[in-house]
Amino acid sequence: EPEVTQTPSHQVTQMGQEVILRCVPISNHLYFYWYRQILGQKVEFLVSFYNNEISEKSEIFDDQFSVERPDGSNFTLKIRSTKLEDSAMYFCASSDRRLAEAFFGQGTRLTVV
Amino acid sequence: AQSVTQPDIHITVSEGASLELRCNYSYGATPYLFWYVQSPGQGLQLLLKYFSGDTLVQGIKGFEAEFKRSQSSFNLRKPSVHWSDAAEYFCAVGAPDSSYKLIFGSGTRLLVRP
Repeated sequence: EPEVTQTPSHQVTQMGQEVILRCVPISNHLYFYWYRQILGQKVEFLVSFYNNEISEKSEIFDDQFSVERPDGSNFTLKIRSTKLEDSAMYFCASSDRRLAEAFFGQGTRLTVV
Repeated sequence: AQSVTQPDIHITVSEGASLELRCNYSYGATPYLFWYVQSPGQGLQLLLKYFSGDTLVQGIKGFEAEFKRSQSSFNLRKPSVHWSDAAEYFCAVGAPDSSYKLIFGSGTRLLVRP
């Protein structure tokens, strides 16, 4: 069964450092998403990406965040200067149509110290 | 703007008992509705979805959900719970005519008594 793959599974970084979270979406999917879940809280939408551009972003997704699809398979989330409050589980998801069934990866747990 | 409410933070049921998890949404038209399950340390797995048509939808692992427009609800049910169903369950809503995102509820943690 096809799946979304995220690496690394856990990353610890110092405050102020840049991090890149990586995702390999399902190969024939066209829509890509990042969500995050702060410990004990609900899953929150960050950004959606379609046709090589951001289609929608939330208020959380400020100038410190960026996304990229550098080649035909990877989808990355970059946080330029991490803050303590960026500590969360970050989920990548993909779907073949807008708002169709989104397949989620296992997540990357980001810990900012 | 759409929103999702899951009024029960925790629910405990005995193995073999029936289960109903509540979900209410706020949206001006008919949304797309989803239930996801998250086991500890795991990602989100889709249990079932509703886009249109039959208001009773069947999902994986023996789960079903019923869309009730009049009550703005999409409650998840299972007739007989297994210990392996212990997890966190999230209801989510999408706005098919205006948005790419899913809005998630705050989740219901299901505990199963032996």
